[in-house]
Order: sequence, then structure tokens, then C-alpha cells
Amino acid sequence: AQSVTQPDIHITVSEGASLELRCNYSYGATPYLFWYVQSPGQGLQLLLKYFSGDTLVQGIKGFEAEFKRSQSSFNLRKPSVHWSDAAEYFCAVSEQGQGFSFIFGKGTRLLVKP
Amino acid sequence: GAGVSQSPSNKVTEKGKDVELRCDPISGHTALYWYRQSLGQGLEFLIYFQGNSAPDKSGLPSDRFSAERTGGSVSTLTIQRTQQEDSAVYLCASSLAAGVYNEQFFGPGTRLTVL
Repeated sequence: AQSVTQPDIHITVSEGASLELRCNYSYGATPYLFWYVQSPGQGLQLLLKYFSGDTLVQGIKGFEAEFKRSQSSFNLRKPSVHWSDAAEYFCAVSEQGQGFSFIFGKGTRLLVKP
Repeated sequence: GAGVSQSPSNKVTEKGKDVELRCDPISGHTALYWYRQSLGQGLEFLIYFQGNSAPDKSGLPSDRFSAERTGGSVSTLTIQRTQQEDSAVYLCASSLAAGVYNEQFFGPGTRLTVL
């Protein structure tokens, strides 16, 4: 069965510092991978997605993620964090075949120190 | 244009009562999804609709949960005989069509509290 693990429940970084949020998935075939952000009082917003091709994908708000099949990982990165990046981040995996499902990780809450 | 809307934004109910949660998708979106976000459990995929049909209802937590969509637009998630463990934020999303290639746009959610 598919699963998504986000090992870090909370992460705190200083404004201007780099960020990496970890995501590991368990899936038999090539997964479809996503990162979403949920800011306080707002709905989920898609940051980026990976379907195939180039394993480094660029998203909105200066985020990028790298798909590493050998490590079953899809980590989210940003070179320089802004205070407005404080939010909860969710990694998700999907499959599409006989049916459709969408599995989210439990999320990582990012705190940004001034 | 307008995004996905959900109503009510907050619902407090007593254990054992039935509740209905409503989702109004983006106009023209044929696919609609329901999720549950519980504290400590993350986001749980419940069900999706392509048009008015739900191909797979196995994600619904129990037979107290049901969902319908009529006219290919508004959807209602009904929880019968609510229990305290049903307390959560229920999120709805819509996309142009069902499937991974179509971005889901999420509504603000309905926060359900069962006393």
C-alpha cells in the first residue's frame, strides 16, 4: 500500500536561512508526487508536482523539490526562507490506474525565526 | 473567478446528531474530492466524484458517512449519528477532471466539532 512519511513534525529556521523538508514515500511503481502548503486560515495550495522527466522540479514561491528514486524521497527545498513561508507543508503521493487515490503525509509545521 | 466554497465554515453538534456539509466547486470543474483533516492524523482522502458518480467509496470511514453530488456541481457530505471522533476539518477540492494531471483547488474547509 502507498504511504507517505514526513519525519519532521516541526522545523524552525531563521529568516534567510535555507530550508529542506523531508518526504519519503512507499509505492511500487513510479509515483506522482506533490507538495502543498497550508497557511493559517487558508486552504491548501499546490507548490509543485512531479510526474516524470527531470527529477528537479521548480514550483511557486521559490520552492523546488528533487525526486530521488533510490532513496524513495521527494524533499522540498528553498534557498532562503521568508517569514511569510511559516505554514504547514504536506507531501502527497497519488496513483492512477484502476481508480484514483491521493495520500498525504501528516505534515511538517515550519516556524520562521526573525 | 470564485474558488471552492464550503458551508458552514464551523459546525458544532451534539453526539448522535446528523450533519450535512456542503461543497460548491469551481464552475466547470467536473471532479470533486472530500478530505478529512484530523489533529495528528493529517489529511485523509475520503471520496471523489467524476460528474455525479463516485467510483470508489471505500475511503469513507464508516457507513455513517455518505456523500452525494447532483447536477455535477454541489456535493453534500453527510455524517449520521455523529461521534466525537468525527471532529475534524472537512476539506473539499475540485479539478477540471478527475486524475493526477489536474490540479486540485481546495476550499477553506468546514470545522466540525462533536460535543
